[in-house]
Amino acid sequence: DVKVTQSSRYLVKRTGEKVFLECVQDMDHENMFWYRQDPGLGLRLIYFSYDVKMKEKGDIPEGYSVSREKKERFSLILESASTNQTSMYLCASSPALDRNTEAFFGQGTRLTVV
Amino acid sequence: AQSVTQPDIHITVSEGASLELRCNYSYGATPYLFWYVQSPGQGLQLLLKYFSGDTLVQGIKGFEAEFKRSQSSFNLRKPSVHWSDAAEYFCAVGARSSASKIIFGSGTRLSIRP
Repeated sequence: DVKVTQSSRYLVKRTGEKVFLECVQDMDHENMFWYRQDPGLGLRLIYFSYDVKMKEKGDIPEGYSVSREKKERFSLILESASTNQTSMYLCASSPALDRNTEAFFGQGTRLTVV
Repeated sequence: AQSVTQPDIHITVSEGASLELRCNYSYGATPYLFWYVQSPGQGLQLLLKYFSGDTLVQGIKGFEAEFKRSQSSFNLRKPSVHWSDAAEYFCAVGARSSASKIIFGSGTRLSIRP
């Protein structure tokens, strides 16, 4: 089974802190994604990586950065956390989509910024 | 850039009744299309996907979806819903590229009336 593991299920951080959310996949997938899920807004793509050290901005990259130094690991960084970044964060991975496959999701990290 | 619209925020149907959830996409060519389900407190699970070929796609749990290019739609259907189908449903679109973002709609919450 494909496994996408997010390092924390729940996090509470203070405003202004630097926050790292970690995601690891064990299936040698090329693509990895970070989404933010908010009620009524669905899943919004923050960043996307299609290879090591390669990244593309999604729809809402402001206030976030990412790092992909190894194929299996994709980190989301909040440089200076703010209360409006309180949300559920979902990581996903997929092989190249032209292989008729899908994205596999982690269980999510619920981040609260106080 | 691709986008997805799910026009129904919340739908309530009676147990045993039929169901149709709407999804419209915007993309310049034929996209990859997905439906995911998220039960309360759970992660996202793939229901079905369309890559090519037969435009009527069968998925898990008795769901099906039909790709209609002329209407830019990929509506999800089930002939008879069960109480366990109560969940949030997300339509998603991916571009036909190996390095492809997957963009999600805002979701439709399904409630089942006993």
